[in-house]
Amino acid sequence: DAKTTQPNSMESNEEEPVHLPCNHSTISGTDYIHWYRQLPSQGPEYVIHGLTSNVNNRMASLAIAEDRKSSTLILHRATLRDAAVYYCILRDIAGGTSYGKLTFGQGTILTVHP
Amino acid sequence: KAGVTQTPRYLIKTRGQQVTLSCSPISGHRSVSWYQQTPGQGLQFLFEYFSETQRNKGNFPGRFSGRQFSNSRSEMNVSTLELGDSALYLCASSRQVATNEKLFFGSGTQLSVL
Repeated sequence: DAKTTQPNSMESNEEEPVHLPCNHSTISGTDYIHWYRQLPSQGPEYVIHGLTSNVNNRMASLAIAEDRKSSTLILHRATLRDAAVYYCILRDIAGGTSYGKLTFGQGTILTVHP
Repeated sequence: KAGVTQTPRYLIKTRGQQVTLSCSPISGHRSVSWYQQTPGQGLQFLFEYFSETQRNKGNFPGRFSGRQFSNSRSEMNVSTLELGDSALYLCASSRQVATNEKLFFGSGTQLSVL
């Protein structure tokens, strides 16, 4: 699986935007970029995913670089409930046999200050 | 709609024993995957099932096994428990096998091996 690199930790203030970066320089043309987050004492939670174009949903936005070697998860107004570990994951749609397999890295620990 | 249900929530066993963990996926979901989470190794993929068939397996010893029933419920079993098996075991379900499909995780079973 292609590898992703994320900062170990980031901090933000409540109600401010947060930009969480992810580098994936070895991404292939068939890799989707997925983001999950894990709140304390819970299982991971899907946030967003995309292939080439920027994506928006009610939780966040995903900005994908034109060369797809990096992406940024954007939380528009951080709340205390957004404090979690954020994982950037590549999923190969051509994998054929890895449907339910996510390869998690160490993720970014996001701390949100009141 | 009920989420992914894992039972039991907590479990304490001693070395050498065996343990069975249960996972009930979201209604209508046919794919179930299992993950182990430890502070040192992070989240690691164990195996996944679809329509009662194991589709993929992670790099774990044969002491770790699983199965899926016709109603999509899944169990995983660990035999001859070792201290290093102490971990949070997470189950995830998804509707189908497309690698775009988002995974829904349960809250996990916290296993402590003494």
